[in-house]
Amino acid sequence: GPKVLQIPSHQIIDMGQMVTLNCDPVSNHLYFYWYKQILGQQMEFLVNFYNGKVMEKSKLFKDQFSVERPDGSYFTLKIQPTALEDSAVYFCASSLGLGGNQDTQYFGPGTRLLVL
Amino acid sequence: GDSVTQTEGLVTLTKGLPVMLNCTYQTTYSPFLFWYVQHLNEAPKLLLKSSTDNKRTEHQGFYATLHKSSSSFHLQKSSVQLSDSALYFCALSDNSGTYQRFGTGTKLQVVP
Repeated sequence: GPKVLQIPSHQIIDMGQMVTLNCDPVSNHLYFYWYKQILGQQMEFLVNFYNGKVMEKSKLFKDQFSVERPDGSYFTLKIQPTALEDSAVYFCASSLGLGGNQDTQYFGPGTRLLVL
Repeated sequence: GDSVTQTEGLVTLTKGLPVMLNCTYQTTYSPFLFWYVQHLNEAPKLLLKSSTDNKRTEHQGFYATLHKSSSSFHLQKSSVQLSDSALYFCALSDNSGTYQRFGTGTKLQVVP
């Protein structure tokens, strides 16, 4: 089936530094998402992105977060500066459409971020 | 706004028994419901989806029926296996163009 790739799989970083999480979405998908999951808890929506723009973002999407997909390459989540509470698994997802039956999201394997 | 409720945080069952994981939702739009399964240290994967009222949807032995009258989309399986141990999320989207809302998840633990 369709696959979403995420690089790196793990990242350890010192508090205050910048980190960029990379996502390679399904090739013909148009909508991209980031979710944050603290161990054993539900996934929480951060942001979705379409046509070069953020469409919606949640309260968890702090000012230190930014997303972009330059020239159709990786869809990235940048955190600058990082904080201890940013430690979590970050899942990227993509979908063909936003509403209705096209809304099936395909998830990547996640990036485990540890902020020290 | 839209919301999804999963009442059980943890369900522990003996292998071979039937299971039902509850999911109810709230939306003012036409709903699309999804069940995702997430095994330990893996990405969530779509298990089932439906937007048709009162029609049973099945996949890999799991089934669910969307009941708009009760705003429910409970996940069932007639005989659970050890490999079914995972986290199960119910999710809702609608035709208003908003993103999917996920429930808090139910951890299913199948024991021998």
